Amino acid sequence: DAGVTQSPTHLIKTRGQQVTLRCSPKSGHDTVSWYQQALGQGPQFIFQYYEEEERQRGNFPDRFSGHQFPNYSSELNVNALLLGDSALYLCASSPSWGAYEQYFGPGTRLTVT
Amino acid sequence: AQTVTQSQPEMSVQEAETVTLSCTYDTSESNYYLFWYKQPPSRQMILVIRQEAYKQQNATENRFSVNFQKAAKSFSLKISDSQLGDTAMYFCAFMLGQGGSEKLVFGKGMKLTVNP
Repeated sequence: DAGVTQSPTHLIKTRGQQVTLRCSPKSGHDTVSWYQQALGQGPQFIFQYYEEEERQRGNFPDRFSGHQFPNYSSELNVNALLLGDSALYLCASSPSWGAYEQYFGPGTRLTVT
Repeated sequence: AQTVTQSQPEMSVQEAETVTLSCTYDTSESNYYLFWYKQPPSRQMILVIRQEAYKQQNATENRFSVNFQKAAKSFSLKISDSQLGDTAMYFCAFMLGQGGSEKLVFGKGMKLTVNP
């Protein structure tokens, strides 16, 4: 049973560019959440997708957008990259029914130069 | 808004010793869940233990147990018989118990080093 997978592992971008990060949830999970983890900090909630719609959003600007596909996989897009967007981006999946554990992927390390 | 505070940024212990990691949280809600996650250098966030607020009994998972004090809004993690593989960042996290759609709110984390 594959767990949560994310791609790419590492990414280096220049200020002003756009980036797309990808996530495949754990088998049987239909809800995907994205978190940003700055160096030395705890993860911060960006948004959550369920049934291909954004269900909840944290305190992040509109430069951060996402998408969920019919197979439950998800993308995180960040436009007009800033140096402050450098962080580890974590994807977590969970079932929409009952259970409350979120299972995390290994993350994508984004560096903006 | 819910907040989670981990006041100890770093701790170190000897192998086989017992260590306790502290966490406090703030919420006005009565139905919620608390978690401890472990993040080793590999970066993968791994669930260690979970506690439902409505349960009075403290959760236990092998060498890991919690001391949940609801009135004090305290949720500490005890690791018994520490092992080298326990070396990691540990994050305390909170989730409202309103269904599977809720977000996790994390503390800043605590770095635990287990020495041989």
